[in-house]
Amino acid sequence: EAQVTQNPRYLITVTGKKLTVTCSQNMNHEYMSWYRQDPGLGLRQIYYSMNVEVTDKGDVPEGYKVSRKEKRNFPLILESPSPNQTSLYFCASSFQGGGNQPQHFGDGTRLSIL
Amino acid sequence: QKEVEQNSGPLSVPEGAIASLNCTYSDRGSQSFFWYRQYSGKSPELIMFIYSNGDKEDGRFTAQLNKASQYVSLLIRDSQPSDSATYLCAVKDDKIIFGKGTRLHILP
Repeated sequence: EAQVTQNPRYLITVTGKKLTVTCSQNMNHEYMSWYRQDPGLGLRQIYYSMNVEVTDKGDVPEGYKVSRKEKRNFPLILESPSPNQTSLYFCASSFQGGGNQPQHFGDGTRLSIL
Repeated sequence: QKEVEQNSGPLSVPEGAIASLNCTYSDRGSQSFFWYRQYSGKSPELIMFIYSNGDKEDGRFTAQLNKASQYVSLLIRDSQPSDSATYLCAVKDDKIIFGKGTRLHILP
């Protein structure tokens, strides 16, 4: 089954404790992206990757890191999480970054930073 | 700053009626337009996409695009309670930008 898998689905942690949210897709997609979704603010792009070893900042990259060492994986790293990073996070992928390809979303990760 | 605007709603529509959702965008260079449906606490799922001016129909859904007016809409015919969700408009040129969504409530 074609899917985008995020882990964990839920996480409660404390300020300053490094965490990683994993994202994996099995569709051989070149493009992958991370979003956060907050009430009243909609979906905002954090980082995206056009292909292996190619990453770029989205609209709200501060406080986040990503890496793309393999085509299927695109982890989101919070080196020193803070309460303002409490949010619902989605990973998405598409066949290509350009063109007309729609994005497929993972089920989401709800992060709470205390 | 490229923007995608949607009325936040809630838009209340009686069951069986037509729901009309609207979206405007600021970037005239936008090439691709998508409608996603998102149930509360769930991930967005693609409903429709449209690239050319005019109408595109898929079952009960019709997407309408007017690039001159920078306007894209989604019509849902024979609305069902299961259509109650937030609908996200997304516009893509070199990058994809999402609107904040319109909450749709179908009244039984």
